[in-house]
Amino acid sequence: AQTVTQSQPEMSVQEAETVTLSCTYDTSESDYYLFWYKQPPSRQMILVIRQEAYKQQNATENRFSVNFQKAAKSFSLKISDSQLGDAAMYFCAYRSTGNQFYFGTGTSLTVIP
Amino acid sequence: EPEVTQTPSHQVTQMGQEVILRCVPISNHLYFYWYRQILGQKVEFLVSFYNNEISEKSEIFDDQFSVERPDGSNFTLKIRSTKLEDSAMYFCASSPPLITGELFFGEGSRLTVL
Repeated sequence: AQTVTQSQPEMSVQEAETVTLSCTYDTSESDYYLFWYKQPPSRQMILVIRQEAYKQQNATENRFSVNFQKAAKSFSLKISDSQLGDAAMYFCAYRSTGNQFYFGTGTSLTVIP
Repeated sequence: EPEVTQTPSHQVTQMGQEVILRCVPISNHLYFYWYRQILGQKVEFLVSFYNNEISEKSEIFDDQFSVERPDGSNFTLKIRSTKLEDSAMYFCASSPPLITGELFFGEGSRLTVL
């Protein structure tokens, strides 16, 4: 089975600064999809950004971008110009070709005013 | 915008009781999932459902758990005899019939077993 690892249980960032959350995964598949989800306290998870493994170009959504290194099986999330509303738990997720989703253990992000 | 809805938002039950958690996935989605999250910790996969049958289940999903889609819209998770350790947030999710599709989550049902 695929595994997803988030090695940073907690991170903090000063408002307006940039922070990078790390994620690595293990798979033998060549085609798959990667996602970052945000979960505010006591709220549902919402999609932040997605990356198709066959695309070399890193995905970008406004202040959120990824650094996808397929050979290294690394998928980090960069949040630029951090805002107070970015404070949440962030989960990295892997979707297999069999339509199964595997989640990391999450990184709790604190934004310091 | 379509969304996944879950009921109840919070249920308190006595140990040994049966509970049913309900979910209405997004209508054109074909893949359905239940996940569990204990105290804001990691998201644990329970079961996936496709074409009216379980496609995969985790080791957590033992005989006390069951899922069904009784009427083509609702997707339920039943826990037959709850244990204290079943206390968690249960999330329903669905995914469209696209290989690029992400999971759409409901707001969760918090289960407290006393």
